[in-house]
Amino acid sequence: EPEVTQTPSHQVTQMGQEVILRCVPISNHLYFYWYRQILGQKVEFLVSFYNNEISEKSEIFDDQFSVERPDGSNFTLKIRSTKLEDSAMYFCASSDMGFYEQYFGPGTRLTVT
Amino acid sequence: AQKITQTQPGMFVQEKEAVTLDCTYDTSDQSYGLFWYKQPSSGEMIFLIYQGSYDEQNATEGRYSLNFQKARKSANLVISASQLGDSAMYFCAMREDTGGFKTIFGAGTRLFVKA
Repeated sequence: EPEVTQTPSHQVTQMGQEVILRCVPISNHLYFYWYRQILGQKVEFLVSFYNNEISEKSEIFDDQFSVERPDGSNFTLKIRSTKLEDSAMYFCASSDMGFYEQYFGPGTRLTVT
Repeated sequence: AQKITQTQPGMFVQEKEAVTLDCTYDTSDQSYGLFWYKQPSSGEMIFLIYQGSYDEQNATEGRYSLNFQKARKSANLVISASQLGDSAMYFCAMREDTGGFKTIFGAGTRLFVKA
């Protein structure tokens, strides 16, 4: 069964460093998303992406964040200058159409020290 | 603004019994989608069930059913014949059918299944 994959599973970085989180969505899906979940809290929407551009972003998704689909399979989230409060689990998701269910990857746990 | 409310931070259920997890939502949109996801202790988000705002029948997927009451803006998840493996966090979520199909999540309900 096709699935969303994410790498790495765990990333530790120092405050101020740049990180890139990688995702491979399900191959025939057209819509891609990033969410984050701070430990013990609810899942928060960051950004949605369709047709090689951002469709919608939340207030969390400020100038330090960017997304890219560098090739036909990968979807990345870059955090330019990490802060301690960026420590969270980051989930990538994809959906066939925008109004279909979103399938989540296993997540990348980001720890900023 | 759209909002999802899950009022039960934790629930206990005896194995093989049914359990209902509550979810209410608030939106002014006519078109939206409602989801339930399961998050086991391993952390992944597992899609369980979906209900569209125009669907007249309640969604069912195996042991999961969604009790959709549109006028009351509720979308409760019913798990029948609970199993030990059902112990997990359960999130109710709502997808906006405008713009980028943003999905917002409730705070979750932690379900404990007792043997």
